[in-house]
Amino acid sequence: GAVVSQHPSRVICKSGTSVKIECRSLDFQATTMFWYRQFPKQSLMLMATSNEGSKATYEQGVEKDKFLINHASLTLSTLTVTSAHPEDSSFYICSARDRDIGAFFGQGTRLTVV
Amino acid sequence: GQNIDQPTEMTATEGAIVQINCTYQTSGFNGLFWYQQHAGEAPTFLSYNVLDGLEEKGRFSSFLSRSKGYSYLLLKELQMKDSASYLCAVLDSNYQLIWGAGTKLIIKP
Repeated sequence: GAVVSQHPSRVICKSGTSVKIECRSLDFQATTMFWYRQFPKQSLMLMATSNEGSKATYEQGVEKDKFLINHASLTLSTLTVTSAHPEDSSFYICSARDRDIGAFFGQGTRLTVV
Repeated sequence: GQNIDQPTEMTATEGAIVQINCTYQTSGFNGLFWYQQHAGEAPTFLSYNVLDGLEEKGRFSSFLSRSKGYSYLLLKELQMKDSASYLCAVLDSNYQLIWGAGTKLIIKP
């Protein structure tokens, strides 16, 4: 099946620094990638949708200047959490969509801001 | 609005069969997914239904009725490792995933 690789799986950073998370579709071209955030004991929350070569569409309440998304190629999207704070600590998950067979998820990144 | 309903929690016995239901009301429909999620991990893909009927994959089967806005995930020969949350998600007309809150499945020996 289709494979989506997300890196890193875990990261600890100091408050005020920035963290970049990568999402790659390994064996298919993903024209659309989705970024989600998991809050404890809640379902995944969609943060933004990115289409290759265009600006990401952010969901209401998500700060676009804080969560920078770049989708420069059909196989790579990045999420950068800028000036991270402890409340940004969470589980971030990407999903890449293959038009024919559906959407597949990365392994997730557990971010801890100290 | 868009809505997906599934039971919050279910309990079943090892070796038995359990059916987890999901009903949905969404703007458009481009398929329904079932995911399994163990605590602290990302969801893993189980099944994708876009046409009516039953899809069988080993111990897991998924059923879809688009006219009824209804799906179920059937787990047979339950094992302790099947204890997890099971998430139902619908791909809407904009190809965005609309998620249910998940069903926590507890397996007892």
